[in-house]
Amino acid sequence: GQQVMQIPQYQHVQEGEDFTTYCNSSTTLSNIQWYKQRPGGHPVFLIQLVKSGEVKKQKRLTFQFGEAKKNSSLHITATQTTDVGTYFCAEQTGANNLFFGTGTRLTVIP
Amino acid sequence: DTAVSQTPKYLVTQMGNDKSIKCEQNLGHDTMYWYKQDSKKFLKIMFSYNNKELIINETVPNRFSPKSPDKAHLNLHINSLELGDSAVYFCASRVRGAYEQYFGPGTRLTVT
Repeated sequence: GQQVMQIPQYQHVQEGEDFTTYCNSSTTLSNIQWYKQRPGGHPVFLIQLVKSGEVKKQKRLTFQFGEAKKNSSLHITATQTTDVGTYFCAEQTGANNLFFGTGTRLTVIP
Repeated sequence: DTAVSQTPKYLVTQMGNDKSIKCEQNLGHDTMYWYKQDSKKFLKIMFSYNNKELIINETVPNRFSPKSPDKAHLNLHINSLELGDSAVYFCASRVRGAYEQYFGPGTRLTVT
């Protein structure tokens, strides 16, 4: 099955620092979704990107979809302790199934 | 009210047993899913189901079977449990035409 790789696997940042996770695919993605999973919690939908080069913002979060639609990034400005969790990218296929990336686990040190 | 609920939250059982996990959504969604999250946090689709079509991920053993008594429920039956089945299982749902999926709180299955 398809798999989308995310880097880094783990990231520790000091509160107030920025954080970026990258999602890379060897094949062209039809779309990319981002989910956040708090420790002990369940994945929660953040956003979907569809167009080449698309950029969307949600407060301190900036999402980008690469021009070639093979990569995506999530950038958090000035992290807070509430940002702790694992961030997943995912592609939704034509059968409406989600194939998740490997995830990036973010720890924010107060 | 919980949008997508699962029971039980925790399930500890022995190898070889048969068990079920229940999922209910009160969102009126028409497609439901089961995902498996292993100890490394990898999330993998197992099934997607609407009232017309069941799509099975080819890597899922046939010991796993989804059963949907109605549109609001998609239960997961697992026969002859194995140690490797230990994981967190998430149910999710989606409404037709939308792209976001809503996940349940998860069921942590431990096979001893």
